[in-house]
Amino acid sequence: GESVGLHLPTLSVQEGDNSIINCAYSNSASDYFIWYKQESGKGPQFIIDIRSNMDKRQGQRVTVLLNKTVKHLSLQIAATQPGDSAVYFCAEENTGFQKLVFGTGTRLLVSP
Amino acid sequence: DVKVTQSSRYLVKRTGEKVFLECVQDMDHENMFWYRQDPGLGLRLIYFSYDVKMKEKGDIPEGYSVSREKKERFSLILESASTNQTSMYLCASSALRDTQYFGPGTRLTVL
Repeated sequence: GESVGLHLPTLSVQEGDNSIINCAYSNSASDYFIWYKQESGKGPQFIIDIRSNMDKRQGQRVTVLLNKTVKHLSLQIAATQPGDSAVYFCAEENTGFQKLVFGTGTRLLVSP
Repeated sequence: DVKVTQSSRYLVKRTGEKVFLECVQDMDHENMFWYRQDPGLGLRLIYFSYDVKMKEKGDIPEGYSVSREKKERFSLILESASTNQTSMYLCASSALRDTQYFGPGTRLTVL
């Protein structure tokens, strides 16, 4: 079946560093991708999204890059802060079906 | 601001009990979803709904049913709770072909 995976289950960085969280997807028909942040005991929080007609999208301190050739998605967080510590999920969707497929998540640990 | 609320943050039930989990959204979204989240398994879709009184099975519907009598409310029902239904339950809503927004989750323990 189709799947969304993550390369690293845990990423540890120092405060102020830039963080990069990677995600591989396998459904070439997916045309919408989302990154969520989930803090302990809370529901996933939308961070940023990108549609397949784009390669890059920037938000506040976050950038998502999409490489459709190798089916790869990444989330870059600039100047990582302790409050960024959380589990980050990528998700893919074929918007014709309106069903998200989630990866299992990467835990980001930020040390002061 | 987007708001999805769930009726309980924590719930403890006994095996065999009927359990209702309620979800309400105030964004007039057409779509609503129920997921469960378990360590190592990620989020798995139980049921979803595109419109009032409509429902579609997700990837793991067994042991669950849903109800959507009003656009803003989507209920998940465990007809006879079992210990393997102990989990974090997450509700989400979205406009057509748009981002899903999640509620805070209900951590259900079945004893």
